[in-house]
Amino acid sequence: NAGVTQTPKFQVLKTGQSMTLQCAQDMNHEYMSWYRQDPGMGLRLIHYSVGAGITDQGEVPNGYNVSRSTTEDFPLRLLSAAPSQTSVYFCASSYRGASYGYTFGSGTRLTVV
Amino acid sequence: AQKITQTQPGMFVQEKEAVTLDCTYDTSDPSYGLFWYKQPSSGEMIFLIYQGSYDQQNATEGRYSLNFQKARKSANLVISASQLGDSAMYFCAMREASGGYNKLIFGAGTRLAVHP
Repeated sequence: NAGVTQTPKFQVLKTGQSMTLQCAQDMNHEYMSWYRQDPGMGLRLIHYSVGAGITDQGEVPNGYNVSRSTTEDFPLRLLSAAPSQTSVYFCASSYRGASYGYTFGSGTRLTVV
Repeated sequence: AQKITQTQPGMFVQEKEAVTLDCTYDTSDPSYGLFWYKQPSSGEMIFLIYQGSYDQQNATEGRYSLNFQKARKSANLVISASQLGDSAMYFCAMREASGGYNKLIFGAGTRLAVHP
């Protein structure tokens, strides 16, 4: 059981470049989310999805796009990378309901120069 | 307004002693879930323990227990008999019924150091 798989693990981008962070889960979870983690700020929600075809903005959505065409996949697109987007990105998934914890991927460390 | 507040940026504890990590939360929703996660230096997020707002008893999972004081809106994590491997960042998080429990909101975290 692979759980939540994120690729790549590391990435360096130049300012203005675009890229897609991949996220896939094999647990048939309805909910998926993207977070960014910056020092001293915990994990902040970027975008989330409650099912295929349904996405919504979180706390810090600017500069990012998402789509969810299947239950399994939830890619995060950086449209025009900026140094402020240097961060560690986590994808997570969960079943519906309050008692279910989210399962996290191993993270992507992104540096924008 | 902060939904989850962790007031201790850093804590240290002697090996084999107990330690309490503080978490307060803010919600007007009667139904919610509270979670603690551990993040070791390797970076992965590890689920530790869950407490539901309607649960009558405090949650326990091995050496972890959650001191849930609903009226005070606090959900402190207690780690008993600390081990060197407990050194990590610890995050408190909440899911609310409003909006369908579809968001997990985190606090800023507490860095715990266990000394031999």
